[in-house]
Amino acid sequence: DVKVTQSSRYLVKRTGEKVFLECVQDMDHENMFWYRQDPGLGLRLIYFSYDVKMKEKGDIPEGYSVSREKKERFSLILESASTNQTSMYLCASRPIGLAGVTQYFGPGTRLTVL
Amino acid sequence: AQKITQTQPGMFVQEKEAVTLDCTYDTSDQSYGLFWYKQPSSGEMIFLIYQGSYDEQNATEGRYSLNFQKARKSANLVISASQLGDSAMYFCAMRETSGGSNYKLTFGKGTLLTVNP
Repeated sequence: DVKVTQSSRYLVKRTGEKVFLECVQDMDHENMFWYRQDPGLGLRLIYFSYDVKMKEKGDIPEGYSVSREKKERFSLILESASTNQTSMYLCASRPIGLAGVTQYFGPGTRLTVL
Repeated sequence: AQKITQTQPGMFVQEKEAVTLDCTYDTSDQSYGLFWYKQPSSGEMIFLIYQGSYDEQNATEGRYSLNFQKARKSANLVISASQLGDSAMYFCAMRETSGGSNYKLTFGKGTLLTVNP
């Protein structure tokens, strides 16, 4: 089974802190994604990565950056956390090609910024 | 412009009855795909069903079926014989090509389904 893990289920940080959210997948997938989920807004794509060291902005990249130094790990970075970044963050991965293959999601990190 | 529209923020259904969750989409691509996901209160995203734009038959997976009407750009999820465990948030998503064989998903805002005993 594909496994996508995220470093924390719950995280509480202070405004202005630098925050790292880590995502690891064990299936050698090329594509990885970071979403945030807010009530009434669904899932919105923050950043995605086609492969190691490759990244592209999603729909809401402002205030975030990402890092992918190894194929299995995709990190989301909040350079200076703000209260409006309080949200559920979901990581996902999928193999390249195979149009009908789903993305595989991690369990999510619920981030609270005080 | 919104690419995936789920017009029902919440739905209620009686146990053992069928329910249809609506999803309409907007794309100019000829090749695309629609996914449905279930998210229980525990938070994990569970893949339910997939329909490709060139698939001639509607997709089915157990109690889940997808009513795909290409001309109307709709891809409604039908759950037959609802169970209490079906109570969850349901998301419709559309696959978009991001260059070559890389794909990303655009999600709707979701429908919260409650199954009553």
